[in-house]
Amino acid sequence: DVVLTQTPVAQPVTLGDQASISCRSSQSLVHSNGNTYLEWYLQKPGQSPQLLIYKVSNRFSGVPDRFIGSGSGSDFTLKISRVEPEDLGVYYCFQATHDPRTFGGGTKLELK
Amino acid sequence: EVQLQQSGPELRRPGSSVKLSCKASGYSITDYLMHWVKHRPEHGLEWIGWIDPEDGETKYAQKFQSKATLTADTSSNTAYMQLSSLTSEDTATYFCARSTPFDYWGQGVMVTVSS
Repeated sequence: DVVLTQTPVAQPVTLGDQASISCRSSQSLVHSNGNTYLEWYLQKPGQSPQLLIYKVSNRFSGVPDRFIGSGSGSDFTLKISRVEPEDLGVYYCFQATHDPRTFGGGTKLELK
Repeated sequence: EVQLQQSGPELRRPGSSVKLSCKASGYSITDYLMHWVKHRPEHGLEWIGWIDPEDGETKYAQKFQSKATLTADTSSNTAYMQLSSLTSEDTATYFCARSTPFDYWGQGVMVTVSS
């Protein structure tokens, strides 16, 4: 199974800061069709997860442009510029290239 | 408007089973795979598996292979997940989510396993 390793586990930030989360895969996430199905989700306390980024760098409808996904192969990054209060919560990467699908362990974005 | 409405919280004894529902509205469930995800705060999100409601094909994560059974009823536009031989490790919130990417999620259902 594909293992996704997220770092850091927790990211203390000051509002207005930039935050960066890494997601490394145990194998390439490039599908045989050429697409890379790496997604990012944010789960706020007491809520269902919400989709932020799909296929590495595509922002989902309504997601602010301060969320930037990048990477290729097995190494991916989510950057959040100018962190706002509504950005706090746990971020997960997820791969849909290989079955079984897998989530990363999560990164908690919290206030310093 | 697409919505996934999950059933209410469940309390079960160890060794029993539970069947959770996820009723879709605003689209036909045969048009998308339906996935199920487990959440425990100390363990994060775990992918359980998916079902293709059009033909009933399923795929599970190895650890849920004998724990979860995914089914779907196209006449009621509803997906189901049955969890068997419940233990305290199954105490969690379970989400259904439309694939993929997971653009719509159910609100989650809390399952508590306790004697």
